[in-house]
Amino acid sequence: DTAVSQTPKYLVTQMGNDKSIKCEQNLGHDTMYWYKQDSKKFLKIMFSYNNKELIINETVPNRFSPKSPDKAHLNLHINSLELGDSAVYFCASSQDRARPGEKLFFGSGTQLSVL
Amino acid sequence: AQSVTQPDIHITVSEGASLELRCNYSYGATPYLFWYVQSPGQGLQLLLKYFSGDTLVQGIKGFEAEFKRSQSSFNLRKPSVHWSDAAEYFCAVAPPVSGAGSYQLTFGKGTKLSVIP
Repeated sequence: DTAVSQTPKYLVTQMGNDKSIKCEQNLGHDTMYWYKQDSKKFLKIMFSYNNKELIINETVPNRFSPKSPDKAHLNLHINSLELGDSAVYFCASSQDRARPGEKLFFGSGTQLSVL
Repeated sequence: AQSVTQPDIHITVSEGASLELRCNYSYGATPYLFWYVQSPGQGLQLLLKYFSGDTLVQGIKGFEAEFKRSQSSFNLRKPSVHWSDAAEYFCAVAPPVSGAGSYQLTFGKGTKLSVIP
């Protein structure tokens, strides 16, 4: 059973398009995250949700909008895609936000290529 | 701001040889420290973490890491590398206090490990 699953694994699209990446966790966790791994391999947090509530919103263009229909899902919608959005996006989840160092479970990543 | 440095971009070792991956951090206080492994096409998997206490931390798959406060380092080691250890390894830090009731990881750039049979 996959703990954190995100779809699609690969996404190729043209500039200006709108796309979504879906993430689901079946661990019963309360907190979910989106990370972006850029071409230099830095992993940077973008958003974090706890029980469907946004708790971390880093400096990310407002073209990126997370949506959490329930605590098991955190989708990432990107409007007007730009070349610089090309990266691997990782979804993650953890049991609790209030315990620093809580174990994170990551999805396998979505490689987004913007042409 | 906190930062994590992994000085080695790519390391190649022979199977059965020992391994040490370096990680240095910059932070005002001692952060929580982590090592993650990312195999091709797989998600990140937590190898081990350090919060406090014993500075030598044991993890999964035979890995261990040692926290050295004086050097601001948290190097990952394994006495004998297996071919299946070939992957990318990420060091990460998190603030020791979650002031906003949440925490976030800051990752290094990663070290790619290749294993020669």
